[in-house]
Amino acid sequence: AQSVSQHNHHVILSEAASLELGCNYSYGGTVNLFWYVQYPGQHLQLLLKYFSGDPLVKGIKGFEAEFIKSKFSFNLRKPSVQWSDTAEYFCAAYNTDKLIFGTGTRLQVFP
Amino acid sequence: EAQVTQNPRYLITVTGKKLTVTCSQNMNHEYMSWYRQDPGLGLRQIYYSMNVEVTDKGDVPEGYKVSRKEKRNFPLILESPSPNQTSLYFCASTNPGQGITEAFFGQGTRLTVV
Repeated sequence: AQSVSQHNHHVILSEAASLELGCNYSYGGTVNLFWYVQYPGQHLQLLLKYFSGDPLVKGIKGFEAEFIKSKFSFNLRKPSVQWSDTAEYFCAAYNTDKLIFGTGTRLQVFP
Repeated sequence: EAQVTQNPRYLITVTGKKLTVTCSQNMNHEYMSWYRQDPGLGLRQIYYSMNVEVTDKGDVPEGYKVSRKEKRNFPLILESPSPNQTSLYFCASTNPGQGITEAFFGQGTRLTVV
């Protein structure tokens, strides 16, 4: 079955620390990948997306993600987090007719 | 303004009382979907629709119904709600036929079934 896995369920960082959140997908063939962010009490917003081309994708708010086809991975990174990055982060994949989400990673950033 | 509108935002109901959560999008998107969000489980797809009159089950369809009579609307129906359907629900839409774009989400509906 198609699936998206996020291995970090809860990450706690201090401000200015670097961030990397893991995401693996199980689809074969062409897949479109996304990272969404959900701030407390809000709906999901798109951070970045990958369709094809350059495997290093830059998104909003200083986030980037790297698509590594051989590892079926699409990890999210940010060199220096801020307190305002405290949120839940979801990796998602779209293939043919289903948009499937990972279970999410809760990020807490302390000043 | 491009948006997905869900109503109501909050709903408390009793077991067995039928309810409908509405979802409407103004972007002429073909693809619409319902998700429920539960702690530790992320977003799980309930039903999705590729176009008018075309609906398919997602990963957790039991206890839910949907319809897609018009392109812009995709209501979620709980014929006989039960407490295990207490959750946060999101509607989303996108247009994969024009190349993959982001999915737009509604503000969410927090449902409590007592």
